[in-house]
Amino acid sequence: DTEVTQTPKHLVMGMTNKKSLKCEQHMGHRAMYWYKQKAKKPPELMFVYSYEKLSINESVPSRFSPECPNSSLLNLHLHALQPEDSALYLCASSQVGTSGRNFYNEQFFGPGTRLTVL
Amino acid sequence: GDSVTQMEGPVTLSEEAFLTINCTYTATGYPSLFWYVQYPGEGLQLLLKATKADDKGSNKGFEATYRKETTSFHLEKGSVQVSDSAVYFCALSDRPNDMRFGAGTRLTVKP
Repeated sequence: DTEVTQTPKHLVMGMTNKKSLKCEQHMGHRAMYWYKQKAKKPPELMFVYSYEKLSINESVPSRFSPECPNSSLLNLHLHALQPEDSALYLCASSQVGTSGRNFYNEQFFGPGTRLTVL
Repeated sequence: GDSVTQMEGPVTLSEEAFLTINCTYTATGYPSLFWYVQYPGEGLQLLLKATKADDKGSNKGFEATYRKETTSFHLEKGSVQVSDSAVYFCALSDRPNDMRFGAGTRLTVKP
């Protein structure tokens, strides 16, 4: 199974709502990522989990709260979002990289959740 | 810092035309290089990769060669199809769990 799944596919929420995005993979990957992608732009890294621990937070506002309950699941909790947070949210996974190796691992992406904040 | 520069789009070609999308990189180490493709309404799919100098990655008729001397990883396909219409991202990784993307190049192939 080389698939990363994300739910929901589309989400519309108001600025006072609380919602969650979900991501799942069964490739045995122990690194998982959240990216935000605006239209006609490349993905921007938000968070990285390595062995279920948060290893990178790219100065993301606290209204985005990630969670990694186990090695297969990754959630992104959303609260009090702004209209400018509307975007495609992509989850990805990879084998955990290690320093000193002479290559670096590809990331496998899910189809994304299209989020609209009203 | 490490970065990827790819040719500005959009690129419009007729079916069966030859495709080149230029990609150059800046990195302090020895990065692995990737091409990802994003079809409309979808996530990114890995198209091909190369992990060391002179490696050639290939998939679905697409090819790219890791050229250390010119710090380039240009994407080529000999004969494009309408179904190749998508956005193509060049990317590099030169540290664990890190991926740097180029700006993306939108390709439209007309019948």
